[in-house]
Amino acid sequence: NAGVTQTPKFQVLKTGQSMTLQCAQDMNHEYMSWYRQDPGMGLRLIHYSVGAGITDQGEVPNGYNVSRSTTEDFPLRLLSAAPSQTSVYFCASRKGQGYGNTIYFGEGSWLTVV
Amino acid sequence: AQTVTQSQPEMSVQEAETVTLSCTYDTSESNYYLFWYKQPPSRQMILVIRQEAYKQQNATENRFSVNFQKAAKSFSLKISDSQLGDTAMYFCASPYNQGGKLIFGQGTELSVKP
Repeated sequence: NAGVTQTPKFQVLKTGQSMTLQCAQDMNHEYMSWYRQDPGMGLRLIHYSVGAGITDQGEVPNGYNVSRSTTEDFPLRLLSAAPSQTSVYFCASRKGQGYGNTIYFGEGSWLTVV
Repeated sequence: AQTVTQSQPEMSVQEAETVTLSCTYDTSESNYYLFWYKQPPSRQMILVIRQEAYKQQNATENRFSVNFQKAAKSFSLKISDSQLGDTAMYFCASPYNQGGKLIFGQGTELSVKP
């Protein structure tokens, strides 16, 4: 079972470059989200989507764009990378909007902006 | 702003002993779940236990149990008979506004010592 797949696992960017972190899930989950993890800050919600064509902002959306053209994919775009975006990024998905449903996480993407 | 607070950045416990990790939250939702996730050095996010707010009985999963105090908005995790494999970062999570979004606390790094 693939679950939630994130690519790339590691990436080094120069300030001002753009890139896309890919996230795909094969569980037909309606809900998908992106978090970033920084030391002492826990996981902070960047953007989320409750279904294809629907996205919304989380706690820390600035500097990031998302789209959801299919149920399976939820890419995260950095249009002009900044050193403050150096972090570990996690994609997560869940069936429906029900709070009790288990959230499944990808393995994380390590991004360094120099 | 709705928040999740873990006031213990680091904790340590001797193998076979019991340890309690604290968490307070603040949500405006009326029906919700609370979660504890474990993140070992591999960075994989693993669901430890969940609690439905409408259930008065505290959730239990083998050596893991919670002390849920709804009025105080407190949700602590007790680990009994601690094992070396319990060494990890532990995150508490609660709903954020509406739409099924989940936000996380800052994390507690637990070390189990032999």
